[in-house]
Amino acid sequence: DTGVSQDPRHKITKRGQNVTFRCDPISEHNRLYWYRQTLGQGPEFLTYFQNEAQLEKSRLLSDRFSAERPKGSFSTLEIQRTEQGDSAMYLCASSPPAGAYEQYFGPGTRLTVT
Amino acid sequence: SQQGEEDPQALSIQEGENATMNCSYKTSINNLQWYRQNSGRGLVHLILIRSNEREKHSGRLRVTLDTSKKSSSLLITASRAADTASYFCATDAGNAGGTSYGKLTFGQGTILTVHP
Repeated sequence: DTGVSQDPRHKITKRGQNVTFRCDPISEHNRLYWYRQTLGQGPEFLTYFQNEAQLEKSRLLSDRFSAERPKGSFSTLEIQRTEQGDSAMYLCASSPPAGAYEQYFGPGTRLTVT
Repeated sequence: SQQGEEDPQALSIQEGENATMNCSYKTSINNLQWYRQNSGRGLVHLILIRSNEREKHSGRLRVTLDTSKKSSSLLITASRAADTASYFCATDAGNAGGTSYGKLTFGQGTILTVHP
């Protein structure tokens, strides 16, 4: 399968714990995005990478959130000191180099904070 | 914050009928995209229309864009039960120079149910 993959698919954690999610984009895609989606809502943009550079970060992301994309390949999203309000589906998407704007989404990681 | 507002929030039709969903947005855009989401396949890109285009077709899909009214519509013709899903419009406002880098702002979606 050559689509976007995310790991884990589900994560249950206790409040205050740290969690890390991984996204593997389609191999030739240099742009990578993270979104968060809560029930009944559309996805909300969190951050964007072009190659290894993080070019934009949403104001939605508090200091507890950090994302990396070392070597411009896979990406990780870490949430420190999780809160119940962090419970959501975290979606990763990738897109080819400039000129094609459609995004290819992974299956998401569903986070539940208890 | 959500830029797009889809209308209706939910739509229930019979197989074979057409389904029309509308999307309104607030700021100028580089392009507007429609996505489908169901539990089986996640979010899937359907069609993209650029700000200088007024209508686009892809198979049974027809998208229109009216930038003066900041609105778009998605028409699905001859619907099938497999079209049952949530449909989202997503706007790409581009950067200050108007160039897209792909940051999408999604609406809340329309839940479409197609009855066999």
